[in-house]
Amino acid sequence: QSALTQPASVSGSPGQTITIACSGTSSDVGAYNYVSWYQQRPGKPPKLMIYDVDKRPSGVSNRFSGSKSGNTASLTISGLQADDESNYYCSSYTRRSTWVFGGGTTLTVL
Amino acid sequence: QIQLVQSGAEVKKPGASVRVSCRVSGHIFTDLCMHWVRQAPGKGLEWMGGFDPEDGEMYFAQKFQGRVTMTEDTSTDTAFMELSTLKSDDTAVYYCAAVLRALPGGPIDYWGQGTLLAVSS
Repeated sequence: QSALTQPASVSGSPGQTITIACSGTSSDVGAYNYVSWYQQRPGKPPKLMIYDVDKRPSGVSNRFSGSKSGNTASLTISGLQADDESNYYCSSYTRRSTWVFGGGTTLTVL
Repeated sequence: QIQLVQSGAEVKKPGASVRVSCRVSGHIFTDLCMHWVRQAPGKGLEWMGGFDPEDGEMYFAQKFQGRVTMTEDTSTDTAFMELSTLKSDDTAVYYCAAVLRALPGGPIDYWGQGTLLAVSS
């Protein structure tokens, strides 16, 4: 099972909107609406930001949103803030009942 | 509040095995689906395996098949992950993770603090 494909890095200025894409196949991202996004700060465990493609857990800012089209999922962060600077990972359930993560994207707030 | 507390850092030689524990508190252990995820230094997250509530089976990433064992002790609310035939590229932080929802696909709601495994001769 290959990792999902994410850009290695994205950047944006405070207040801007950025989008991180997560590309998979018809056997994972495209198969189910079980795509999640995690934020991870250095030295810390990941934190769930989006699940089931576009649902936000309680306590996560509504500046974070998710979507999916075909085999590609996306995480959008609007009104970018300095505190959003972090690593972001997508994850998907697969037809083999396994899970797969993306390679991760480093978000830099300029 | 659900807490996952993992065992401490380990140093192992190539060819050895390691067993990492993950003690769960704050929730009924048997209502959770446990997974294990690892992260090599400076690298991304890698799913190793976990419980699928759809059919009640454990599933593993292909690269770990035959080398990893995941068990649970419901008397102590503890999950275990054992990895055998260690190699240097098994050096990583190993996370236990808990899923609350009894449906396939997660998501992972809670994470342990991580256990650092160093494999070196």
